[in-house]
Amino acid sequence: QQQVKQSPQSLIVQKGGISIINCAYENTAFDYFPWYQQFPGKGPALLIAIRPDVSEKKEGRFTISFNKSAKQFSLHIMDSQPGDSATYFCAVVPGGYQKVTFGTGTKLQVIP
Amino acid sequence: NAGVMQNPRHLVRRRGQEARLRCSPMKGHSHVYWYRQLPEEGLKFMVYLQKENIIDESGMPKERFSAEFPKEGPSILRIQQVVRGDSAAYFCASSPPGQVGETQYFGPGTRLLVL
Repeated sequence: QQQVKQSPQSLIVQKGGISIINCAYENTAFDYFPWYQQFPGKGPALLIAIRPDVSEKKEGRFTISFNKSAKQFSLHIMDSQPGDSATYFCAVVPGGYQKVTFGTGTKLQVIP
Repeated sequence: NAGVMQNPRHLVRRRGQEARLRCSPMKGHSHVYWYRQLPEEGLKFMVYLQKENIIDESGMPKERFSAEFPKEGPSILRIQQVVRGDSAAYFCASSPPGQVGETQYFGPGTRLLVL
């Protein structure tokens, strides 16, 4: 059972544009919603994360929007730059310890 | 403070050989997680360990795979009698006590190629 669905699979955005990546989850027991950024040949790095008690979190050019009732959350990258070109993974984490479940990833390419 | 370290970074094995992957968590971190990433796919959880204990191995294949995190030394992911389907990137992550499962810091990964 796929607990988190991520779209699109790939995305091409012009420099300066807005990149939007969406995720939908199925289980309401999740308590933490991080986004990871992965460059080729590297491990994923935590980019930004949100808890379900807020609807939006912004850090610099990166914003998470969270819709608890729809069980969806999205990553917005404002003023996208070529250096943002990477693969982005959403993830869900239940309350307590538990294992992180990752989305399938979105390969973002920002073109000049 | 060094990040999560994994070695080797690249590992080539022939079918039937053993692969041993090592992970040293960040200083002060006592929780270690192993993930597998197939080409063009997301990361799949394999196992969660604390020192000398396996907490959750629900993502580990039942055969040929094992993991440990001894009191001293790195965590080890061991794959016996490797097959071509084991070719993947294996990532280790660690987290400190009190932040379990949330902020996980990933290593650079070990890319295993089975010939």
